[in-house]
Amino acid sequence: DAGVIQSPRHEVTEMGQEVTLRCKPISGHNSLFWYRQTMMRGLELLIYFNNNVPIDDSGMPEDRFSAKMPNASFSTLKIQPSEPRDSAVYFCASSPTGPLMNTEAFFGQGTRLTVV
Amino acid sequence: DAKTTQPTSMDCAEGRAANLPCNHSTISGNEYVYWYRQIHSQGPQYIIHGLKNNETNEMASLIITEDRKSSTLILPHATLRDTAVYYCIVRPHNNAGNMLTFGGGTRLMVKP
Repeated sequence: DAGVIQSPRHEVTEMGQEVTLRCKPISGHNSLFWYRQTMMRGLELLIYFNNNVPIDDSGMPEDRFSAKMPNASFSTLKIQPSEPRDSAVYFCASSPTGPLMNTEAFFGQGTRLTVV
Repeated sequence: DAKTTQPTSMDCAEGRAANLPCNHSTISGNEYVYWYRQIHSQGPQYIIHGLKNNETNEMASLIITEDRKSSTLILPHATLRDTAVYYCIVRPHNNAGNMLTFGGGTRLMVKP
């Protein structure tokens, strides 16, 4: 298995532009997570999906952020409009079981977003 | 979720055991202890987890005190490739999601 695949690996965009980050979870995993990592705030959970349904989006910073999971093999995190303070590394992770099980989460390599 | 306290940084000599402590004094009976690490420019990687018994796998050993208020991750023979940030996380078995809440972690530097 290729693991969790994120694209693009790097994204540089101008303030005000729309940014879309993509994630392909490991096949068969039914939980998917989006995290953001910055030097100041560390790793923050943004949103969590289970069986393609958003379960907890309390970590989404504001309405400019939205996430979708149209099917079990694809998720997107969109920022519109983007701002310089959104610059961070965004990680996607997937897990093979539902909410009541203790299993490991597998992380992708991340997307480094720079908003200028 | 219970909070954890870890030292900000530690050094270890290559080939020696690295012992990384974690305090979780407010841990509840149904909360597991998880360890992840993050090597520079990579995503976090699962290492090990446990409830109350000591655990060992091919990567590390996890020692949990009898009162479960603290634990130690042991890398028996640290290599330069073990240089990373190590995160200790406690998570309940029955929370609403498989969520992992990361703290600041311990930055382990393995030196030649």
